[in-house]
Amino acid sequence: HLQLQESGPGLVKPSETLSLTCAVSGDSISGSTYYWGWIRQSPRKGLEWIGSFHSRGSNFYRPSLKSRATISLDTSRNQFSLRLTSLTAADTAVYYCAKMGQSTHWAPDQWGPGILVTVSS
Amino acid sequence: QSDLTQPPSASGTPGQTVTISCSGTSSNVERGTVHWYQQVPGTAPKLLIYGDHHRPSGVPDRFSGSKSGILASLAIGGLQSEDEATYFCAAWDDVLNVPVFGGGTNLAVL
Repeated sequence: HLQLQESGPGLVKPSETLSLTCAVSGDSISGSTYYWGWIRQSPRKGLEWIGSFHSRGSNFYRPSLKSRATISLDTSRNQFSLRLTSLTAADTAVYYCAKMGQSTHWAPDQWGPGILVTVSS
Repeated sequence: QSDLTQPPSASGTPGQTVTISCSGTSSNVERGTVHWYQQVPGTAPKLLIYGDHHRPSGVPDRFSGSKSGILASLAIGGLQSEDEATYFCAAWDDVLNVPVFGGGTNLAVL
């Protein structure tokens, strides 16, 4: 049974960098044929895909976030991470990690419970 | 304003069938495949329909998806109180090169 769990800070200051981790259990990221990624949700912007990656090295990012977002893999811990730099209040959202569905790199079929991140001084 | 247009709210009584629409453009709904998600407040979205009309394992056949041109629809038959949630549609946009989501439809079971 696949489970995903986000962890990280709930409050980050403007201009700082956000680092979130997604722990995966019930499947191996390195051996998986699926994409894994991050999506965020805010009242102002709704659901917003951030990016996805495949263990074979293929990555996709939202164009407007590509310069600030990095998704990386830690196979030894079976987890993956999101790093988002130069935060502003507009980055305040619930962040979800997700496993993407078969034959798609962007549409989740399994989600973590989400973590609320607030950007404020 | 969302890229895919959904009615903000819908309602029905137990046992009824409710249909939720999702209007897009030729660069997303018409050209791509549509996915539908159900979100209960305070929880993560759950995949209901993928590839326009396919149901993941465990999703009741009361839920069905369809698409014609730039319009996709989610039908919920035999409405139950547990169906009260927000429903989102999503599709890849070939021009924007990102997935686009609807603003969500809040379904009330009266």
